[in-house]
Amino acid sequence: RKEVEQDPGPFNVPEGATVAFNCTYSNSASQSFFWYRQDCRKEPKLLMSVYSSGNEDGRFTAQLNRASQYISLLIRDSKLSDSATYLCVVFWGSGGGADGLTFGKGTHLIIQP
Amino acid sequence: DVKVTQSSRYLVKRTGEKVFLECVQDMDHENMFWYRQDPGLGLRLIYFSYDVKMKEKGDIPEGYSVSREKKERFSLILESASTNQTSMYLCASSPMGYGYTFGSGTRLTVV
Repeated sequence: RKEVEQDPGPFNVPEGATVAFNCTYSNSASQSFFWYRQDCRKEPKLLMSVYSSGNEDGRFTAQLNRASQYISLLIRDSKLSDSATYLCVVFWGSGGGADGLTFGKGTHLIIQP
Repeated sequence: DVKVTQSSRYLVKRTGEKVFLECVQDMDHENMFWYRQDPGLGLRLIYFSYDVKMKEKGDIPEGYSVSREKKERFSLILESASTNQTSMYLCASSPMGYGYTFGSGTRLTVV
């Protein structure tokens, strides 16, 4: 069974703080990993891919731990505009790849002034 | 930038109506998807297509059908709309094995 689990939150964090959340996945054959951001009543948008060596994009850092089957997202110096739901996405690459993405239900982050 | 366009942002339909949701992408992607998103349930895959005239059932295909006559267009059809199909519908496209680009969604209300 392909499952992706996230803490739904909400995480209430003061502006300027660092926040991190994890996502666990059930299938060790997973190939690719992504974080998506979804604002209220909007579509999900790709935030960043997650590479085995970890990767950073400005204030955002994504890490992959294959041994423990989780990925993480760290946000430094959080801004009010970071308030959103963050979706963890895992790609299994089954068959033609078309059905291989599984979405977590998202972690709701609220940055407070 | 890849653009995925959904024809309607908001729709209100009556129970029993046949409903068409249209999705067009402009980047020649092989894969296209239809999801619905409901509070507490997350994104659930309805149907997907990896080529013209090809379609595969997702996790919740009951009550829906799809059509992909051209590579850029993937249509979701509600044969006879019911109130439990009130939801946010999201179309997405992707090249093989990469992340999705979503359309802006259609919020469908069935009354």
